[in-house]
Amino acid sequence: DIQMTQSPSSLSASVGDRVTITCQASQHIKKYLNWYQQKPGKAPKLLIYDAYNLHVGVPSRFSGGGYGTDFTFTISSLQPEDIATYFCQQYDIPPWTFGQGTKVEIK
Amino acid sequence: QVQLQESGPGLVRPSETLSLTCSVSGDSIRTSRYYWSWIRQPPGQGLEWIGYIYDSGNTHYNPSVKSRVTMSEDTSKNQFSLRMTSVTAADTAVYYCTRERPGYMDVWGKGTTVTVSS
Repeated sequence: DIQMTQSPSSLSASVGDRVTITCQASQHIKKYLNWYQQKPGKAPKLLIYDAYNLHVGVPSRFSGGGYGTDFTFTISSLQPEDIATYFCQQYDIPPWTFGQGTKVEIK
Repeated sequence: QVQLQESGPGLVRPSETLSLTCSVSGDSIRTSRYYWSWIRQPPGQGLEWIGYIYDSGNTHYNPSVKSRVTMSEDTSKNQFSLRMTSVTAADTAVYYCTRERPGYMDVWGKGTTVTVSS
C-alpha cells in the first residue's frame, strides 16, 4: 500500500494566519491527491481533489499544490470555523490510503 | 441534493457478521456514473477505505479486509450494503458510506458507530 505521511500532526495558529500542511507519498502518485476536512463528531468533507482543484462550494482561502510525492495544503487566512482535522488521501493505486491527519487549532 | 444515510446494528458480537446498509437519495445507484464506497474510522484514529461497488455489482475491496467483506446493492430500494464476517474488536469504528467519483469521495453519510463487544 502507498503510505501517506502528513506533517505536522497538529498545529496552533492565530485567526488570519497562513497555515500550511504537507503530505508526502511513499511513491509517485502523479496528481491523484485529495484533501478532506473533518470537524469533531462529523463526517469528512472533500475540499480539494487532484492536488489543486477546489471542490464546489469550498472557500477560496483553501488551496492545494504539488505533484508526484510532495503535496501542500494551505489556508491563506485561518478562520475560527476552520478548526478541524485535515486528511490527505491518494488514489493513484488501490487501496486508497489516507494520511494520519493534521489537527488545526486556534492559538 | 444527494444524501446518504447509514443504518444497521450498533453492537455486534465478536466472530459474528456486521451488516450495514446505505440509503441514497437524490441520485440513482443504478444509473449513476459514480461508485459507492465504504470507509471506516476507528475511535481516535484515521480513515480506512474498505472498498466500493459500481456498475451493477462490480466491486473492489481493500486487501486488508477482502477475505471478510462483501458489498452488494439493491437498486429497487436505491441502497447498497456492506457485510463483514468474523468481526473482532479491531473492527470497532464509525462506518461511513460515500459517493465516489472514483478516487475521491464527494458525498458522505453522517456515519454510524459499530462496536464489537460481547
